[in-house]
Amino acid sequence: GAGVSQSPRYKVTKRGQDVALRCDPISGHVSLYWYRQALGQGPEFLTYFNYEAQQDKSGLPNDRFSAERPEGSISTLTIQRTEQRDSAMYRCASSLVGDRYTDTQYFGPGTRLTVL
Amino acid sequence: AQSVTQLDSQVPVFEEAPVELRCNYSSSVSVYLFWYVQYPNQGLQLLLKYLSGSTLVKGINGFEAEFNKSQTSFHLRKPSVHISDTAEYFCAVGRMDSSYKLIFGSGTRLLVRP
Repeated sequence: GAGVSQSPRYKVTKRGQDVALRCDPISGHVSLYWYRQALGQGPEFLTYFNYEAQQDKSGLPNDRFSAERPEGSISTLTIQRTEQRDSAMYRCASSLVGDRYTDTQYFGPGTRLTVL
Repeated sequence: AQSVTQLDSQVPVFEEAPVELRCNYSSSVSVYLFWYVQYPNQGLQLLLKYLSGSTLVKGINGFEAEFNKSQTSFHLRKPSVHISDTAEYFCAVGRMDSSYKLIFGSGTRLLVRP
């Protein structure tokens, strides 16, 4: 079936604007993750959902960042009042069940955010 | 806290030559270990993972990795690379008590030349 999809693939915005990044996980996957990847770095964990419940948001850098998954499927990562330092690749991943070490996280292609 | 170090940012190698991509980690608790590959304009794809048992783990596309607890390493190897192996490779760890939260290294770009 289809993999994890993310939209938009590229987003250019001006400093101070709000942006919403969308993630559509693999059908039937219970767990969903958001990561941020700066240029030349590996992905950095932001937050994690089981169904619609946000289980861990310890990686969100500040209160301008928020995420939701209201129906346990599609998720939205919102960044308010964007700053240039928010520029990065934002990656979403999903897995069947997140709390099992045998579970594999399947990553989407990412959204490249550029804040001017 | 956990951390992952991939010392080589880029590894150039000729086609059909062997390759080793190095990964070292530090952690105060037991961890699981992973290697992911990222092809251009695609998401990360799991190559292999070490959970327990045999320290030699075989993955997709002919790759394998060996877990060395005493050296806290999890190096990735392939005996003969192809042009199509050109990609970015990421090592990652996950705590056993919260394995959903992967900590990634900074990545190694494997460049296979004809």
